[in-house]
Amino acid sequence: ETGVTQSPTHLIKTRGQQVTLRCSSQSGHNTVSWYQQALGQGPQFIFQYYREEENGRGNFPPRFSGLQFPNYSSELNVNALELDDSALYLCASSFYGGPGPIAQYFGPGTRLTVL
Amino acid sequence: DQQVKQNSPSLSVQEGRISILNCDYTNSMFDYFLWYKKYPAEGPTFLISISSIKDKNEDGRFTVFLNKSAKHLSLHIVPSQPGDSAVYFCAASGLNAGNNRKLIWGLGTSLAVNP
Repeated sequence: ETGVTQSPTHLIKTRGQQVTLRCSSQSGHNTVSWYQQALGQGPQFIFQYYREEENGRGNFPPRFSGLQFPNYSSELNVNALELDDSALYLCASSFYGGPGPIAQYFGPGTRLTVL
Repeated sequence: DQQVKQNSPSLSVQEGRISILNCDYTNSMFDYFLWYKKYPAEGPTFLISISSIKDKNEDGRFTVFLNKSAKHLSLHIVPSQPGDSAVYFCAASGLNAGNNRKLIWGLGTSLAVNP
């Protein structure tokens, strides 16, 4: 059991709406990363938060935003939803304490469908 | 531009035999490589990693080999078991200009181990 939880598990929205996805990190982890995985693709890095600050961002528009809270839980917000935003959204937590990546532990994901 | 390539979308192996999953990368700045396994409806699970200063890392039935000159790594599973049937993702990491790290993922290889 990874200890990383995500909510909700499934979500259906319509174009133009806004959505908030939530993630609870594994205990002791200080870094959270969000990924978008479209069907048949590998996870695409959206952004990463370390100690409540954005610590890196992939090639996603500003309508994708996030927050990390003092308890290291996190939110992914997507505004003005588009059909192509339909995907599995994965949250991964890790402990960053020095150089080199530490293995990330993933939650089960939130399946977002935009109609 | 796919910096991490898994050129075999699928692989079928007989139980007890060796499974070899391959991964190629283009960015010479990558210095850590990780393999993840993903079952349907679950998030990816960390399997094994290797630093660029090594050419081999072994953990039980799983061994990862790294050939830096060829920018190629492979995951060997010996002996293969039906429970190993999953999608395997290769991921690579390197420090970017902002001294941050992110994982770059391949598209995955679906492994089927037949009894």
